[in-house]
Amino acid sequence: DTGVSQDPRHKITKRGQNVTFRCDPISEHNRLYWYRQTLGQGPEFLTYFQNEAQLEKSRLLSDRFSAERPKGSFSTLEIQRTEQGDSAMYLCASSPVTNYNSPLHFGNGTRLTVT
Amino acid sequence: ELKVEQNPLFLSMQEGKNYTIYCNYSTTSDRLYWYRQDPGKSLESLFVLLSNGAVKQEGRLMASLDTKARLSTLHITAAVHDLSATYFCSLAGNLIFGKGTKLSVKP
Repeated sequence: DTGVSQDPRHKITKRGQNVTFRCDPISEHNRLYWYRQTLGQGPEFLTYFQNEAQLEKSRLLSDRFSAERPKGSFSTLEIQRTEQGDSAMYLCASSPVTNYNSPLHFGNGTRLTVT
Repeated sequence: ELKVEQNPLFLSMQEGKNYTIYCNYSTTSDRLYWYRQDPGKSLESLFVLLSNGAVKQEGRLMASLDTKARLSTLHITAAVHDLSATYFCSLAGNLIFGKGTKLSVKP
């Protein structure tokens, strides 16, 4: 169990650029979640996958955000035409579908700064 | 729409004293989770509470759930510096998190 891995740890980009983050969940975990966290706030749900299927997406998520999990293993989160308001920590988490009540295992996050 | 409210948002604790933090939620929900986050770090699971009256304990922390009151409490016994962190509750299958309670333990 190597834990949930996120890459990169930090990303600085200019407004208007596209960015992509990667998450590698714990290998036997079918469920994968993306959250955004800003200073002083709790994690805000963005979307989640069970295997390769995207089962839920926050209605707060603008069309500039898209996530994929093509083979049911790693996932990518892309933000197009970044805005300063996108600056945040992006957290990925995973859990096993075999245990419905299992807590989430979080990665260390990708900190995005949009200048 | 499910809303989650934690209070207090900040708590300065003295070492050796007992404290309680609260997580209130607005509509019926199964499964309540507590997580801890150290500064600059990610979240770590503490407890999963599955039913009314559930109580879980780990070291100086004890969590309980009252689904009728839509309330969970996290009780800290004899606070120590190591407990300084931000604590979050989460519901709706981890889709909704509270804003967190930032605990600071002073000697």
